[in-house]
Amino acid sequence: GAGVSQSPSNKVTEKGKDVELRCDPISGHTALYWYRQRLGQGLEFLIYFQGNSAPDKSGLPSDRFSAERTGESVSTLTIQRTQQEDSAVYLCASSLAEETGTGGIFGPGTRLTVL
Amino acid sequence: AQTVTQSQPEMSVQEAETVTLSCTYDTSESDYYLFWYKQPPSRQMILVIRQEAYKQQNATENRFSVNFQKAAKSFSLKISDSQLGDAAMYFCAYDWGVRGAAGNKLTFGGGTRVLVKP
Repeated sequence: GAGVSQSPSNKVTEKGKDVELRCDPISGHTALYWYRQRLGQGLEFLIYFQGNSAPDKSGLPSDRFSAERTGESVSTLTIQRTQQEDSAVYLCASSLAEETGTGGIFGPGTRLTVL
Repeated sequence: AQTVTQSQPEMSVQEAETVTLSCTYDTSESDYYLFWYKQPPSRQMILVIRQEAYKQQNATENRFSVNFQKAAKSFSLKISDSQLGDAAMYFCAYDWGVRGAAGNKLTFGGGTRVLVKP
């Protein structure tokens, strides 16, 4: 596609429910990153995919968070048993594998609200 | 671990005037990349400007320029001739620039909100 897309744009859920957030990277971009942005704060790295493997999961805050990627395309971030502290905007970015220091192209994010 | 600090939570500027946003970072690397991103209310992260640490010349993009002081680990953004459309959150970010298993994840500062007065 022309840009990185994310769905849903907004998600409201109840505490304890599971949620799935989706990221569609730019076609051909093998590198994919998930970030979390809490209200009024900067972005925090969560996980990095190269193809469908995740060499760096160091930012996942707990075992309730997991992510997977199908081939070199769609990625899904799953949060189980959501807590109010999980409320944030979740952003995805993608880039070509051979690119260095480009920052990647960001999607518009998913705003998650846990009641 | 690398850290990025933006000490100004909010800056206000009159339309057509100049504002400078501060950013400091901590790293033991010698080659890396620094970025300024703009985030309007739409949440979209827009790359404003990029600096490669091995280049001494400060990057410039139209009305946006940086003052990169490598020894001081300082990377400020100057917005000249401010326009109403410049109002947004601005984030400074760092990429250690090393290819490999860690990819090129970004470390972000906490952000500075820029208000533009007409």
